[in-house]
Amino acid sequence: EAGVAQSPRYKIIEKRQSVAFWCNPISGHATLYWYQQILGQGPKLLIQFQNNGVVDDSQLPKDRFSAERLKGVDSTLKIQPAKLEDSAVYLCASSLGYGNTIYFGEGSWLTVV
Amino acid sequence: QKEVEQNSGPLSVPEGAIASLNCTYSDRGSQSFFWYRQYSGKSPELIMSIYSNGDKEDGRFTAQLNKASQYVSLLIRDSQPSDSATYLCAVFDQTGANNLFFGTGTRLTVIP
Repeated sequence: EAGVAQSPRYKIIEKRQSVAFWCNPISGHATLYWYQQILGQGPKLLIQFQNNGVVDDSQLPKDRFSAERLKGVDSTLKIQPAKLEDSAVYLCASSLGYGNTIYFGEGSWLTVV
Repeated sequence: QKEVEQNSGPLSVPEGAIASLNCTYSDRGSQSFFWYRQYSGKSPELIMSIYSNGDKEDGRFTAQLNKASQYVSLLIRDSQPSDSATYLCAVFDQTGANNLFFGTGTRLTVIP
């Protein structure tokens, strides 16, 4: 079974530039998550989708971050404009649904200089 | 805001010893608890889940849960250098949203 796919794996941008990350969840997984993990910290949920609807985006900095899952499968997370403190790993994860195990992708490493 | 607390470590144990990792959580209503292992530069990998008070064993790993004390732990027996990683404690959010709250992780080093 293929895992959660993410791209790009690594990205270096200057502050105030924009970046987009893509995620393809495990086939059949209705729930998709984007987590932010800053070095030395645990992952923090940014946004959660159930199919193509947003369940929780309370921790998403909406002035600069946006995410979509238009057809209920792939998802894109965008940051514009980026700040230095956005340097982190952006982890996409998926699960079958409520109460099911959450599986993580390899992550997209962002460095903002 | 739900809190999940872990000692950040580092925790160092000799090869073959028992490593003990601890976690406390703030939400008394939490029912589901998970331990993820994260190697440096890699994504978190689920190694144990526990839902009931008591012990749950899987190979060299034992998860222990005490809901009254709001405490969950992970024991790793016969620790190997390959166990060197950061161990993340995660608590499932029961209040409708299906997501996990993570601690900051404990970094474990197993010394050969």
